[in-house]
Amino acid sequence: EDQVTQSPEALRLQEGESSSLNCSYTVSGLRGLFWYRQDPGKGPEFLFTLYSAGEEKEKERLKATLTKKESFLHITAPKPEDSATYLCAVQAYSGGGADGLTFGKGTHLIIQP
Amino acid sequence: GAVVSQHPSRVICKSGTSVKIECRSLDFQATTMFWYRQFPKQSLMLMATSNEGSKATYEQGVEKDKFLINHASLTLSTLTVTSAHPEDSSFYICSARVPGRENTEAFFGQGTRLTVV
Repeated sequence: EDQVTQSPEALRLQEGESSSLNCSYTVSGLRGLFWYRQDPGKGPEFLFTLYSAGEEKEKERLKATLTKKESFLHITAPKPEDSATYLCAVQAYSGGGADGLTFGKGTHLIIQP
Repeated sequence: GAVVSQHPSRVICKSGTSVKIECRSLDFQATTMFWYRQFPKQSLMLMATSNEGSKATYEQGVEKDKFLINHASLTLSTLTVTSAHPEDSSFYICSARVPGRENTEAFFGQGTRLTVV
């Protein structure tokens, strides 16, 4: 059974204070690892897809990295508007076509001015 | 990115009634859509995979007779919660991928907050 564990559950930072969010996963065969941002009462908004260990992707103040067991979402000099819940999800190979995602519970990030 | 629209965003219904939620892909045709449920402070849980022109595939533990899924066209999937009870109150979200890109990002609708009273 595919599993995704995110830590910490909640993180409160001061504006400008950099940090990292962790996503540990176990999956039979990783097809892709996805990071999403979710604001309260909204659907997830896509951030990154990572496919293989060693891969890195960046977008503004965010950088995602991937190893064979975990992924990190690094946030550099965050701003209050970066406050949200960050979700990690994996897609496994099932031998079929399109597959659903297995999500972690998310990290609730609060950036204080 | 591709756009997925979900309607309604909020619905309140009486216990015992049925509620229909729509999920539309606005700028692409989706042969497959996914339905998730999210409880407060919990992760999104995949409920079922909606396949255009065929029966939906339900995850273990999800009652197919309670959560009816219809994917009658390439741009519309509907989830009907039948005989709703308070424990069905949750946040329901749909998603879809652009065909031919099945290992890329899924795009999500805005979600539907269902409250059963």
